[in-house]
Amino acid sequence: GESVGLHLPTLSVQEGDNSIINCAYSNSASDYFIWYKQESGKGPQFIIDIRSNMDKRQGQRVTVLLNKTVKHLSLQIAATQPGDSAVYFCAENYREAGGTSYGKLTFGQGTILTVHP
Amino acid sequence: DGGITQSPKYLFRKEGQNVTLSCEQNLNHDAMYWYRQDPGQGLRLIYYSQIVNDFQKGDIAEGYSVSREKKESFPLTVTSAQKNPTAFYLCASSIDSAYYGYTFGSGTRLTVV
Repeated sequence: GESVGLHLPTLSVQEGDNSIINCAYSNSASDYFIWYKQESGKGPQFIIDIRSNMDKRQGQRVTVLLNKTVKHLSLQIAATQPGDSAVYFCAENYREAGGTSYGKLTFGQGTILTVHP
Repeated sequence: DGGITQSPKYLFRKEGQNVTLSCEQNLNHDAMYWYRQDPGQGLRLIYYSQIVNDFQKGDIAEGYSVSREKKESFPLTVTSAQKNPTAFYLCASSIDSAYYGYTFGSGTRLTVV
């Protein structure tokens, strides 16, 4: 089946650096992508989303870039802080073979971000 | 405050037992979902419900059952048929099935003893 995957399972950065977390997806019919942050022992928290008719979206300290040509998604975190240490997941909307979506998301493996003071 | 509550936070199951994980939301969301998370892996969909009294199997439904008798509640039963139930279980909800911005609960960690 189609899936979402990540290039880097772990990323270590120094406090204040910018972080970039990458994600590859294979379902060309996906039209919505989300980044989640998950801290240890907790449920994922929504960070930012982007629709396929956009190639960039900015939030507070975070930017998501979408390259549909190569099916690549990235999350950029500016001035990374120790509180940003967590597992980051990308997810894409899941569509049935006929194109129907039931709100199901397909999640990637996750990237562990560690920020050193 | 509106939110989604999972209980218990930790649950231990003996071999051959059925256990039920609770998921309650007061967000007035129509759609609810159960995901399983294993160490170092992403989330895998167990069951989902788009509306009350309706639910569908996800990718790994074998050994699990659900009910959706009320809009607010979507309990998950892990049956004895589930051979490897030890995992972190996450419940989520969204306004409706056309919207993908899930709100997640804090999870239940199930361990077989």
